[in-house]
Amino acid sequence: DGGITQSPKYLFRKEGQNVTLSCEQNLNHDAMYWYRQDPGQGLRLIYYSQIVNDFQKGDIAEGYSVSREKKESFPLTVTSAQKNPTAFYLCASTTSTVPNGYTFGSGTRLTVV
Amino acid sequence: DQQVKQNSPSLSVQEGRISILNCDYTNSMFDYFLWYKKYPAEGPTFLISISSIKDKNEDGRFTVFLNKSAKHLSLHIVPSQPGDSAVYFCAALLGSGKLIFGQGTTLQVKP
Repeated sequence: DGGITQSPKYLFRKEGQNVTLSCEQNLNHDAMYWYRQDPGQGLRLIYYSQIVNDFQKGDIAEGYSVSREKKESFPLTVTSAQKNPTAFYLCASTTSTVPNGYTFGSGTRLTVV
Repeated sequence: DQQVKQNSPSLSVQEGRISILNCDYTNSMFDYFLWYKKYPAEGPTFLISISSIKDKNEDGRFTVFLNKSAKHLSLHIVPSQPGDSAVYFCAALLGSGKLIFGQGTTLQVKP
């Protein structure tokens, strides 16, 4: 079955460390997105990529970095510059076809310890 | 600058009654509006959508209404079931493919 796989499901980071969240899709979708969910703030866009080897900053890109070397993969690195990284991170992908919107992964819960 | 707003953080209804979830937006350039349902520690799942040129779309127990003059949309769930208890996100799609989400409304359906 096609879908999006995010790993790990839970991740703990010490202050000052960089961590990378994995997102892999086998849906043959061109566009991929990273969102962050915080209580009461909905989903906020971190980075997105509409084609391989190209990506754009979203609304809250500071302290994050991404790469898109393969169509199937869009890893997100949370750097030490991100001052409040504890959150639930969601990866999504889509084709240009609407109205089904995005397909989301099951998320990664990142906690700073 | 919140382009999509869900002003009610929570809603509680009795099983069998109607649930009405509301969403307001500020940008007239949105092409589609979508509703997603989300359970804790899971990704959102697509529920229903409506094109900006329509005013109503229905799918089973779910109906979305769009009032463009008021920049307002609503999701009606009839009849509500306990399994509908979840967080519901309103989202608006720009032509670039970006989805802008509201803050979410937690729906509780009591048996």
